[in-house]
Amino acid sequence: DAKTTQPNSMESNEEEPVHLPCNHSTISGTDYIHWYRQLPSQGPEYVIHGLTSNVNNRMASLAIAEDRKSSTLILHRATLRDAAVYYCILRDVGYGQNFVFGPGTRLSVLP
Amino acid sequence: DTGVSQNPRHKITKRGQNVTFRCDPISEHNRLYWYRQTLGQGPEFLTYFQNEAQLEKSRLLSDRFSAERPKGSFSTLEIQRTEQGDSAMYLCASSPRLGQSSSGNTIYFGEGSWLTVV
Repeated sequence: DAKTTQPNSMESNEEEPVHLPCNHSTISGTDYIHWYRQLPSQGPEYVIHGLTSNVNNRMASLAIAEDRKSSTLILHRATLRDAAVYYCILRDVGYGQNFVFGPGTRLSVLP
Repeated sequence: DTGVSQNPRHKITKRGQNVTFRCDPISEHNRLYWYRQTLGQGPEFLTYFQNEAQLEKSRLLSDRFSAERPKGSFSTLEIQRTEQGDSAMYLCASSPRLGQSSSGNTIYFGEGSWLTVV
């Protein structure tokens, strides 16, 4: 699996937007970009995924660079419940049956 | 659909004892995964099943670890002769077969089973 690079930690104020970056310069054409988050003492939770186009869902938006070498997870209005570790993962849709997790970004949300 | 279910959620055992964790995947998901996670680290892949066949095993899965999925539904992960280094959260995840959805092969995790070896 191609490698991703994320900042170790970020802080945000409550009700402000948060932009979580991820670099994946070795991404291949068939790699999907997945984001998961993990709240304390829980299993990872799916957030969003995309291939080439920007994606929106009820939880977040995913902005993918035109060259696909980086992406940004956008939380439009951070809440205290968004404090978690966020993982950016590349997954080839047809190969490699496991997700390879890095250390992720620990997001703190300040009231 | 109740999601991926794992039990027990917490297990404290003495060193040298055997422990078994059970995972019930989302119904109709034919793929099942086991991961291990220690404090401060991301989950590490252990093994993967497609239906009842165990198709991939990590080198982290020592001889003391064995996983089964006998009927292609629930799975068990057994750790024999536990050691203190086995203390971790054991995560199970499942995913539908390729092409069954447009999920890009998204996998769905359970809440995890915490193991403490004393």
